[in-house]
Amino acid sequence: EADIYQTPRYLVIGTGKKITLECSQTMGHDKMYWYQQDPGMELHLIHYSYGVNSTEKGDLSSESTVSRIRTEHFPLTLESARPSHTSQYLCASSGLTALAGSPSYEQYFGPGTRLTVT
Amino acid sequence: DAKTTQPTSMDCAEGRAANLPCNHSTISGNEYVYWYRQIHSQGPQYIIHGLKNNETNEMASLIITEDRKSSTLILPHATLRDTAVYYCIVRVDNTDKLIFGTGTRLQVFP
Repeated sequence: EADIYQTPRYLVIGTGKKITLECSQTMGHDKMYWYQQDPGMELHLIHYSYGVNSTEKGDLSSESTVSRIRTEHFPLTLESARPSHTSQYLCASSGLTALAGSPSYEQYFGPGTRLTVT
Repeated sequence: DAKTTQPTSMDCAEGRAANLPCNHSTISGNEYVYWYRQIHSQGPQYIIHGLKNNETNEMASLIITEDRKSSTLILPHATLRDTAVYYCIVRVDNTDKLIFGTGTRLQVFP
């Protein structure tokens, strides 16, 4: 069972508000990721980090920003929320493991934050 | 990373084996095949991965063809709780970024 947590699970907020989505993991993983997923659609990588003070943009452009000051914590911030930001945001982490005899960077996902901007 | 092709949806009777195919004809020699599933918009869950050999764990079996251009995920005794979207992903391990496609929506019926 993966130990990765996201808060809040659900958030309804008005346009223009600043929000921060929290993601924490207790597995000591160096790598962490944020994905965005609209209902019934594919997951898209929007941010990732390979360690403290390392952040990179993912394959899908996003107006959100991230920070990685501590290994276990990878928050995502929207400075001014808009209805177009309404989506589910999924956080994941990975670390080198040996599964079935071969090295693996299996990703563990949190439960997600479902964001609605009105 | 190589592109994968999966059927959009499949049905399976409870208790029967569910065989989910995946084509990855452009796979490279150092690319692994990973399977994840996503149950009703929860976070995706790792199932299994392999390089060349067939693999089995407590959740499923992975059969990779000899030319590695396709693979099949097998759930030996499907239950209603296995209803989910199943993603086949090919990646070079040291990049470790996952690129999700549309996956196969598996519906297990009583």
